[in-house]
Amino acid sequence: GAGVSQTPSNKVTEKGKYVELRCDPISGHTALYWYRQSLGQGPEFLIYFQGTGAADDSGLPNDRFFAVRPEGSVSTLKIQRTERGDSAVYLCASSFSASKETQYFGPGTRLLVL
Amino acid sequence: AQKITQTQPGMFVQEKEAVTLDCTYDTSDQSYGLFWYKQPSSGEMIFLIYQGSYDEQNATEGRYSLNFQKARKSANLVISASQLGDSAMYFCAMREGPGGSQGNLIFGKGTKLSVKP
Repeated sequence: GAGVSQTPSNKVTEKGKYVELRCDPISGHTALYWYRQSLGQGPEFLIYFQGTGAADDSGLPNDRFFAVRPEGSVSTLKIQRTERGDSAVYLCASSFSASKETQYFGPGTRLLVL
Repeated sequence: AQKITQTQPGMFVQEKEAVTLDCTYDTSDQSYGLFWYKQPSSGEMIFLIYQGSYDEQNATEGRYSLNFQKARKSANLVISASQLGDSAMYFCAMREGPGGSQGNLIFGKGTKLSVKP
């Protein structure tokens, strides 16, 4: 079956602009996760959803970052007033449920803020 | 303190040889899960193997095995019969909470493996 998909694959924006990154999880997976990976580092957790609700948003760096998953499937990560330090690869993962299950990752969105 | 430590920034291995990638972890939970992922230059994170903290036997998946030493808090990945396609970044990760229920994964900084022909 289809894996996790993310769009766009690359996004270049200017400092101060607003961006939206989309994640389409594996069909039937109720848990969805967002991570951010800076160059030379491992992924860092941002937020995860169980169904439509954000079960844990403790990794969001500040209030410029927000994510939604209104129908329990597709999720959008929204970044307001982008800063150069937001440049990274944003990874999305999904799992059948939030406990014990393996997380499967999408290809990521590479965000560059100029 | 880092929760996942991978001390080898880079490793080289000859094709067809075995290689061990080190991972130590830090947690006060009794129940947790340990994962290894592979990230080729294309960027996608590929799940390799999982070990639960209460699993008595070391996990194995094909050419991958996990050398789990709970008392030492280490979870090393062993790749047997290395192939050129194994060249990639390898990340160790942990999920805390009962049954790994905390949700998010905590990753190490990774080890870059290069397989020489």
